[in-house]
Amino acid sequence: DAGITQSPRHKVTETGTPVTLRCHQTENHRYMYWYRQDPGHGLRLIHYSYGVKDTDKGEVSDGYSVSRSKTEDFLLTLESATSSQTSVYFCAISESPPGTGYNQPQHFGDGTRLSIL
Amino acid sequence: QQPVQSPQAVILREGEDAVINCSSSKALYSVHWYRQKHGEAPVFLMILLKGGEQKGHEKISASFNEKKQQSSLYLTASQLSYSGTYFCGTEVMTTDSWGKLQFGAGTQVVVTP
Repeated sequence: DAGITQSPRHKVTETGTPVTLRCHQTENHRYMYWYRQDPGHGLRLIHYSYGVKDTDKGEVSDGYSVSRSKTEDFLLTLESATSSQTSVYFCAISESPPGTGYNQPQHFGDGTRLSIL
Repeated sequence: QQPVQSPQAVILREGEDAVINCSSSKALYSVHWYRQKHGEAPVFLMILLKGGEQKGHEKISASFNEKKQQSSLYLTASQLSYSGTYFCGTEVMTTDSWGKLQFGAGTQVVVTP
């Protein structure tokens, strides 16, 4: 199994508070991704990273920011959490990015279940 | 741009077969298939490349029809362990799709004894 650790695994917090989720990998893969998963929507890309300090937005990036100061760590921050951000968040890694024809799979962490009351 | 999966759900008895389809309106480099069991992470099954290559994973196989931009996942002689939600992810051939794998909404598969 790919060495991907997400923390925390579960979190309950209140509206308006800041929240940071961490993804740590031991595979030395260059590309990392944050997804949210909600019923009926599958997996939706929030942000992704193509190297240290290199990040870009996905399809549902509003209200989220990311940082990557080291190859192995990719942080997702909700600056002021809202109830609509209650979801399961997955981190993924890959050796090459999709949309390029290199056809490398993405490997997922175990997820963080976030509830915002 | 999200690919469309069908059916949304299917219930099978052990040993029966099923087909899950994934269709895109855009030209694709490839289609990825993942399976997710309840409360767990999605697990990679296989990648189908443009050119119609067919791949297999245990008794699960898939094909990719480049002309239709559609991939089909075949569950043959289903086992209880095949239960879960199957997602397709598409690599789209557009400049604004660099770095992005687009997932379908998923197909829930339930295999009963």
